[in-house]
Amino acid sequence: EVQLVESGGGLVQPGGCLRLSCAASGFTFSSYAMSWVRQAPGKGLEWVSVISGSGGSTYYADSVKGRFNISRDNSKNTLYLQMNSLRAEDTAVYYCAKESPQLDYWGQGNLVTVSS
Amino acid sequence: DIQLTQSPSFLSASVGDRVTITCRASQGISSYLAWYQQKPGKAPKFLIYAASTLQSGVPSRFSGSGSATEFTLTISSLQPEDLATYYCQQVNNYPRTFGGGTKVEIK
Repeated sequence: EVQLVESGGGLVQPGGCLRLSCAASGFTFSSYAMSWVRQAPGKGLEWVSVISGSGGSTYYADSVKGRFNISRDNSKNTLYLQMNSLRAEDTAVYYCAKESPQLDYWGQGNLVTVSS
Repeated sequence: DIQLTQSPSFLSASVGDRVTITCRASQGISSYLAWYQQKPGKAPKFLIYAASTLQSGVPSRFSGSGSATEFTLTISSLQPEDLATYYCQQVNNYPRTFGGGTKVEIK
């Protein structure tokens, strides 16, 4: 059974940083690209970033480019999202998802709140 | 970037009604479109890929059609458990983009 479990969210001040993790199990992690998707309170889904199975290719939404960094550790079956220079508009539930290329499995979501 | 426009943004229908949601792409994306269902307080659930192929386990009352720039998601007979917001997503290229969502209410 595929499982994706996010961790690392919480409250952070504007300008601060946070790292999200997503522990994967139930599939060959290194064979699949992985994505982050976020959802601001009461809003729709926003695609954030993707990383290839090897980790050699990454893409970002313009809204986070230069501030967020996606990475993965295939030896630990774990996906990461390093978020720097956080803004109030980054407040959202962040989901990790397995890509094939549609997002066929999603984590439960992790709330990140950027506020002073 | 490819923009996806969903319509309507909200609909209210009765149990047993046929419901259709439209997703229009700002440029052709062949059949590289997926649909998701998000129930209140839950993570999205994957329903359809390649515009019209039902994911395993998804009830057959759900169907998808279309290609290029116009796509539809149809629920042939609306059920109470279909209360949710539905999103389309293009997987033709990066950055991936989602439609704005269609909230389905049961009358």
